[in-house]
Amino acid sequence: AQSVTQLDSHVSVSEGTPVLLRCNYSSSYSPSLFWYVQHPNKGLQLLLKYTSAATLVKGINGFEAEFKKSETSFHLTKPSAHMSDAAEYFCVVGGNSGYSTLTFGKGTMLLVSP
Amino acid sequence: DTGVSQDPRHKITKRGQNVTFRCDPISEHNRLYWYRQTLGQGPEFLTYFQNEAQLEKSRLLSDRFSAERPKGSFSTLEIQRTEQGDSAMYLCASSPSGVGNTIYFGEGSWLTVV
Repeated sequence: AQSVTQLDSHVSVSEGTPVLLRCNYSSSYSPSLFWYVQHPNKGLQLLLKYTSAATLVKGINGFEAEFKKSETSFHLTKPSAHMSDAAEYFCVVGGNSGYSTLTFGKGTMLLVSP
Repeated sequence: DTGVSQDPRHKITKRGQNVTFRCDPISEHNRLYWYRQTLGQGPEFLTYFQNEAQLEKSRLLSDRFSAERPKGSFSTLEIQRTEQGDSAMYLCASSPSGVGNTIYFGEGSWLTVV
């Protein structure tokens, strides 16, 4: 069984300040972990993924996430927010079987103010 | 690479009617997934195909729902006798085989049942 908890439903930052979106996961085996972003009326776009290689994962648009097994966390960060980063972000845990079905968190809405 | 495409993008139907959604995956991907997303929630897994074989179905997929992938390429998701609770965005995704492979999502099909 697997699950994921996104600790904040909304995060508000000012443009140019750091972003931290928190995620904790539960999995009975070594998970694959992903962050997806969803802009309004758009599909889901992959930001980055962790698949048991380097624990610090770099993604697109300056985002990165660090896998911490001892804390069962996979927080998403960005040094400096941009207005275009305003969107909903989903932390996702993937199965380690051959089926690779994904379990999504409930999402964190990132609001960026000028 | 044309990405995952879904049709129609929006559908409004009266309660009790049948609706069908189509998904065309990325051409070389043999895995195809259907997810459902309601407002304020993350996507929830519905079903998954490996080529033409439907390998897994969620308990969310009631008897009124049926999905097919007859030739291992495009897929259809049919909802019979729609109910207001079926109103949601239906997301299709595809991926290559293998653990931890990226799953690519389409932009979704919005269903409103009135």
